[in-house]
Amino acid sequence: RKEVEQDPGPFNVPEGATVAFNCTYSNSASQSFFWYRQDCRKEPKLLMSVYSSGNEDGRFTAQLNRASQYISLLIRDSKLSDSATYLCVAMEYGNKLVFGAGTILRVKS
Amino acid sequence: DAGITQSPRYKITETGRQVTLMCHQTWSHSYMFWYRQDLGHGLRLIYYSAAADITDKGEVPDGYVVSRSKTENFPLTLESATRSQTSVYFCASSVPRGNEQFFGPGTRLTVL
Repeated sequence: RKEVEQDPGPFNVPEGATVAFNCTYSNSASQSFFWYRQDCRKEPKLLMSVYSSGNEDGRFTAQLNRASQYISLLIRDSKLSDSATYLCVAMEYGNKLVFGAGTILRVKS
Repeated sequence: DAGITQSPRYKITETGRQVTLMCHQTWSHSYMFWYRQDLGHGLRLIYYSAAADITDKGEVPDGYVVSRSKTENFPLTLESATRSQTSVYFCASSVPRGNEQFFGPGTRLTVL
């Protein structure tokens, strides 16, 4: 079983749609959680951190549920430029990141 | 502001050859990491380093060697390349207890 699991998609949505990604992690000792974004053939870049209290950055909302070891990302009013692969990430001791395999999002006009 | 760079960006080699992938960062970050990315697996940690002369194994270290004699450089060597090491390799760096890792542009390695 992978330590961080995501639905690979692809999620094909029209512009303006709301889309939600889910992720589960198996290591209860994981310290921090993130969503990274990766464009085709590019390096991953941090999208946002994820907290139990939930956090919002513009159209993006992330949520962590430590009891069920579940992480979510909600994107509202999808734009064409949101098309990318979204990586769910857990940080372990020593700044080590454990990545999910990624969820592909395609936003179409 | 060069940030973090990797070289070469593309490399084709043959089975059994030694290959070294270079990673250089200009931020003086103490932590550096090497990942490989394969379809269906996402990114997997190969080796990491908390400071110069301190390295440790990640999830998939077999067949790889690293060194860190200077803070800014973290080369990754494939001692005897195998076809299964065909992958995209990303180097990253961060500060201690930092939330964000900064990734280089990647090296696409093909082993024939």
